[in-house]
Amino acid sequence: AQRVTQPEKLLSVFKGAPVELKCNYSYSGSPELFWYVQYSRQRLQLLLRHISRESIKGFTADLNKGETSFHLKKPFAQEEDSAMYYCALSPQGAQKLVFGQGTRLTINP
Amino acid sequence: DAGVTQSPTHLIKTRGQQVTLRCSPKSGHDTVSWYQQALGQGPQFIFQYYEEEERQRGNFPDRFSGHQFPNYSSELNVNALLLGDSALYLCASIRSGGSYEQYFGPGTRLTVT
Repeated sequence: AQRVTQPEKLLSVFKGAPVELKCNYSYSGSPELFWYVQYSRQRLQLLLRHISRESIKGFTADLNKGETSFHLKKPFAQEEDSAMYYCALSPQGAQKLVFGQGTRLTINP
Repeated sequence: DAGVTQSPTHLIKTRGQQVTLRCSPKSGHDTVSWYQQALGQGPQFIFQYYEEEERQRGNFPDRFSGHQFPNYSSELNVNALLLGDSALYLCASIRSGGSYEQYFGPGTRLTVT
């Protein structure tokens, strides 16, 4: 079974504080992992993927195959980071996405 | 390029009716996927179309069907609407052949009363 779990529906932190959005997945093969973000009144868009190992808008995510986790982190939160964040996996060889239920991140000034 | 476009933006239907939603992919994309997003949930994969054929399907009943046209645009049809079909329906497009980034449309909000 393919499943993505985001344990926190809501997360609130103060500006300048570190942020960590948790994501765990279950998949028997080697999936591709992604983080998608939806800012207010905007469409869903890709934030980062595990293969690229890039830092986008200060966010990073490390794939931990042992713990089947792909947590999203940022050392210093900014107000513009307030958004809905979705962790997603793409099964090997398939161009479809399995999403978690999402975490609403609010950055307080 | 306007990116992925969807129509209509909002739709209200009655139980038992049928509905058709439309999607135009991003320029250069040939593969279209449809997702259903219920309130408070993440998007759930319905099916994917490539070369005018359904290539993959999620766990949705046969009441959900689709079509892809030669210009790569796509339709999602839902028959015998149920109250539980009320959701945001998202279309995503991708270029086949190794591309990884799916581009999403703004969605169609369907309300079934």
